[in-house]
Amino acid sequence: EPEVTQTPSHQVTQMGQEVILRCVPISNHLYFYWYRQILGQKVEFLVSFYNNEISEKSEIFDDQFSVERPDGSNFTLKIRSTKLEDSAMYFCASGGPGQATYEQYFGPGTRLTVT
Amino acid sequence: AQTVTQSQPEMSVQEAETVTLSCTYDTSESNYYLFWYKQPPSRQMILVIRQEAYKQQNATENRFSVNFQKAAKSFSLKISDSQLGDTAMYFCAFDGGATNKLIFGTGTLLAVQP
Repeated sequence: EPEVTQTPSHQVTQMGQEVILRCVPISNHLYFYWYRQILGQKVEFLVSFYNNEISEKSEIFDDQFSVERPDGSNFTLKIRSTKLEDSAMYFCASGGPGQATYEQYFGPGTRLTVT
Repeated sequence: AQTVTQSQPEMSVQEAETVTLSCTYDTSESNYYLFWYKQPPSRQMILVIRQEAYKQQNATENRFSVNFQKAAKSFSLKISDSQLGDTAMYFCAFDGGATNKLIFGTGTLLAVQP
């Protein structure tokens, strides 16, 4: 069964450093998402991406964040200068090829720890 | 703004029994989708069941079923014949269709006791 994959599973970085979180969505999906979950809290939407551009982004997704689909298979989330409060689990999800938000399938997540 | 509320932070059920998790939501949209996701200790998010708002029939997936009350904006999850592997955090989620994102509730931690 196709699945969304994410690498790395756990990333530790120092405050101020740049990190890139990688995702490989399900191959025939067209809609891509990033969510985050601070430990013990609910899952929060960050950004959605379709047709090589951002469809929607939340207030959390400020100028420190960017997304890219560099090669038609990977979908990346970059945090330019990490802060302590960026420590969270980051989930990639993909959906489609039909209606965009009919179902979203989540990857296993990347646990980001900023020290 | 759309909101999702799960009023039960924790629940417990005996193995083989039935449990119902509550979820209410608020929206002004008429066409939308509702989901239940399961998050076991591994923290993977697993889609359990979905419901389209335009469908009157409640969705069912094996031991999982929903009670969708559109007028009351209620979307509860019933787990029958509970198994130890059902122990997890359960999140209710709303998708307004046009918004292109999922809005999650705060979750209900379900413990299945042997």
